[in-house]
Amino acid sequence: GAVVSQHPSRVICKSGTSVKIECRSLDFQATTMFWYRQFPKQSLMLMATSNEGSKATYEQGVEKDKFLINHASLTLSTLTVTSAHPEDSSFYICSARDRDRLNEKLFFGSGTQLSVL
Amino acid sequence: DAKTTQPTSMDCAEGRAANLPCNHSTISGNEYVYWYRQIHSQGPQYIIHGLKNNETNEMASLIITEDRKSSTLILPHATLRDTAVYYCIVATGTASKLTFGTGTRLQVTL
Repeated sequence: GAVVSQHPSRVICKSGTSVKIECRSLDFQATTMFWYRQFPKQSLMLMATSNEGSKATYEQGVEKDKFLINHASLTLSTLTVTSAHPEDSSFYICSARDRDRLNEKLFFGSGTQLSVL
Repeated sequence: DAKTTQPTSMDCAEGRAANLPCNHSTISGNEYVYWYRQIHSQGPQYIIHGLKNNETNEMASLIITEDRKSSTLILPHATLRDTAVYYCIVATGTASKLTFGTGTRLQVTL
């Protein structure tokens, strides 16, 4: 079945540094990828929609200059958390839709646990 | 996208059927019912989805009422590995996003 690979699975960084998270669709092409954030014991919150070849669409309240999204190819989207602070510590999850199977399910990555010290 | 309402938590004995309800009374005609589950510290896993008809796959069955205002996910023989948070989501088939509610925390016990 279709697989979405997310890397790294866990990252610890110092406050003020930037962290890049990669999301790859391994056996399908994804015109659109989605980035979610999840705090402990809470549900997933959509942060932004990443469109190949164009600017990402951010949800209300999500700072686009802090969470940089790049979707340069049909199989790769990256989320960069710039100048990370402890409050950015969270579980980040990406998902992707197969462009040839638009009426079907979204595939999710395994998530990235970010801890900012 | 239509909102959904699910019980916060449920328990089920191992080997028994787990029936997880979901209300989606404002669902639109072109919106599907999707079910995902999330095991602790992992990404959501797709279970099943449907539009009007009942659906079954190797993981579960989805029963959608005739008026489509509610549905039930059935895990026929729950195991301990089915312990997870189960999310019911309604969205169009070409939805630009899936909006997650609080889900149902299913605890399968011996």
